[in-house]
Parts: sequence; C-alpha cells; structure tokens
Amino acid sequence: SYVLTQPPSVSVAPGQTARITCAGYNIGKRSVHWYQLKPGQAPLLVVYDSTDRPPGIPERFSGSNSGNTATLTISWVEAGDEADYYCQVWDSNSDPYVFGSGTKVSVL
Amino acid sequence: EVQLVESGGALVQRGGSLRLSCVVSGFTFTSHWMSWVRQAPGKGLEWVANIKEDGSEKYYVDSVKGRFTISRDNARNSLYLQMNSLRDEDTAVYYCARDDFYNSCLDFWGRGTQVTVSS
Repeated sequence: SYVLTQPPSVSVAPGQTARITCAGYNIGKRSVHWYQLKPGQAPLLVVYDSTDRPPGIPERFSGSNSGNTATLTISWVEAGDEADYYCQVWDSNSDPYVFGSGTKVSVL
Repeated sequence: EVQLVESGGALVQRGGSLRLSCVVSGFTFTSHWMSWVRQAPGKGLEWVANIKEDGSEKYYVDSVKGRFTISRDNARNSLYLQMNSLRDEDTAVYYCARDDFYNSCLDFWGRGTQVTVSS
C-alpha cells in the first residue's frame, strides 16, 4: 500500500511561516489533500487537489506538490492554527483514502 | 450549512456490538458517497468504510471486513456503521465524512463519536 510520511511535529512562532511536508513515492503525480484536526472539533479540509482552498479557508493556507514531497504552508501563523495536520491521497490499488502519519503544529 | 452529527458511541465489552449513526443536513444526501474514518488514541486517521449514493457499493478496510457493515437510509438522511465482534484495537473516535468523489477527498466531517472497547 502507498505510504505517506510526515514529521511528527513542527514548531513555529506567531507571525512566522510553518511548512509541513508529506513524503511519498512520486507524490507529485497525485492529488494531495490536507486536513486540520483540533480536539473536540470536526476535521477541516484546508487544501484539496494539492493547491486549492475550499471556500472560507484563509489564503494563509497554501499547498504545493512536486517530486516525492507535498507541502502545506501556513503563512503568518496564528495561535488558532495550532492543530494536527494530515495529508491524504487517493489510492486505487488499496484503501481508497490513504492518510499521512500526521504533524502536530505548535505555536510558540 | 452542511452538518454531520454522529451518535451511538459507547463503552462496550470485547466481542460486543455497537451501531453508530450519522445524521446529515445542508446538502443532498443522495448525491454523495459517504465514509467512516476513525482515529485511535495517539494514532493517525484511518479510513474504515464507504458507501455509494444508492447503497449498491460498499468498501471496507481489511481489518474490519466481515465484522463491520456500513449502510444508509436516504429517506432519513442517515449513515450507519454496524460494528460486531469488537476488538480492543477498534477503540477510537469514529467520524462520519462526506466523499468528494470528483476530487477524491473528504470535504465535510462530523465531530466524531467515541467508541471504547474494554475487557
């Protein structure tokens, strides 16, 4: 099955930029989606199709995808961005929704 | 406003059964595949099962095949997950999510319901 690897944690100061990577073989050929999870809340899709934002998601959230790494970038980080973030791809050869291992973003 | 509200989570004994429900509103339920996704304590997200708009196709992760059954009642805008022969490793928060089949992602989720399997 397809494996997606994320760093366990990323720390960033308010106002700075957080970059969360998602590594997978030739992931640049796939659409990558990113979710934000906060305790007690519904998970939120923040980027889909590698670079697009759903309605209502701030422009501070952006995505890129090339080669073997996809990246979620959070610019001008705010305290409210503190959460776990998961990447996800569709895999027709195994379980349809494959998630990364997740990254905890801490705002210092 | 799209809403998905799960219910039915509980503390259950190993080997027991539980039925989760998810009531949706704010969109045309019959136009979307639907999924269940879970997160075990300290672990990541794991897709569990999904079902086609009319219920004619269902898919499961290997670890629940033969034990869990996904179903839907389109007249009640409801999604279900029947969980039998529960194991310790089924302990998790279970989320109901709407499939965006075109983009191959899950575009709306509920807050989840806690299932705890104990001996």
